Amino acid sequence: NAGVTQTPKFQVLKTGQSMTLQCAQDMNHNSMYWYRQDPGMGLRLIYYSASEGTTDKGEVPNGYNVSRLNKREFSLRLESAAPSQTSVYFCASSESGWRETQYFGPGTRLLVL
Amino acid sequence: AQKITQTQPGMFVQEKEAVTLDCTYDTSDQSYGLFWYKQPSSGEMIFLIYQGSYDEQNATEGRYSLNFQKARKSANLVISASQLGDSAMYFCAMRPFYNQGGKLIFGQGTELSVKP
Repeated sequence: NAGVTQTPKFQVLKTGQSMTLQCAQDMNHNSMYWYRQDPGMGLRLIYYSASEGTTDKGEVPNGYNVSRLNKREFSLRLESAAPSQTSVYFCASSESGWRETQYFGPGTRLLVL
Repeated sequence: AQKITQTQPGMFVQEKEAVTLDCTYDTSDQSYGLFWYKQPSSGEMIFLIYQGSYDEQNATEGRYSLNFQKARKSANLVISASQLGDSAMYFCAMRPFYNQGGKLIFGQGTELSVKP
């Protein structure tokens, strides 16, 4: 059982380049999330999708867009990368409801030069 | 404002001893969930334990237990019989009920080092 998978694992971009981070889950979860983790900090929510067909902004959405392609897949796009977006990006999924545990992917390390 | 505070940036514990990692939270909600995650040096986030605000019993999962004191708004993680593999960052997180998106609010983490 793969759980939550993310691609790529590591990426180097130049300022102004674009890229899409891919995330897929095989647990049939309704909700999916994108977080970023900066050094010495906990995770902060970028965007989330409570169910297929819906997306909403989280705490730090500027500079990002998302697409909930289907129930399994939730992608994060950086249209014009900036050095401030250097971070580790985590995708997570869960069933709906506040008691439900979120399960995380392995993360994508992004370096923007 | 919703907030999680972990006041111990780093801690050391001797192998086979127990250790408590502190977590306090701030919320005006009556319904919420509290979670602990482990992040080893490899980087993945591993779910450890969950406590619901209405749960009367403290949660336990193997060597992990959660010392939940609702009136004090604290949810400390207790690891019994520490092992070298427990060396990692530990994050406390809260999921408020009111937020239908279900986002987790994370603390800044505690780095635990287990000494042989």
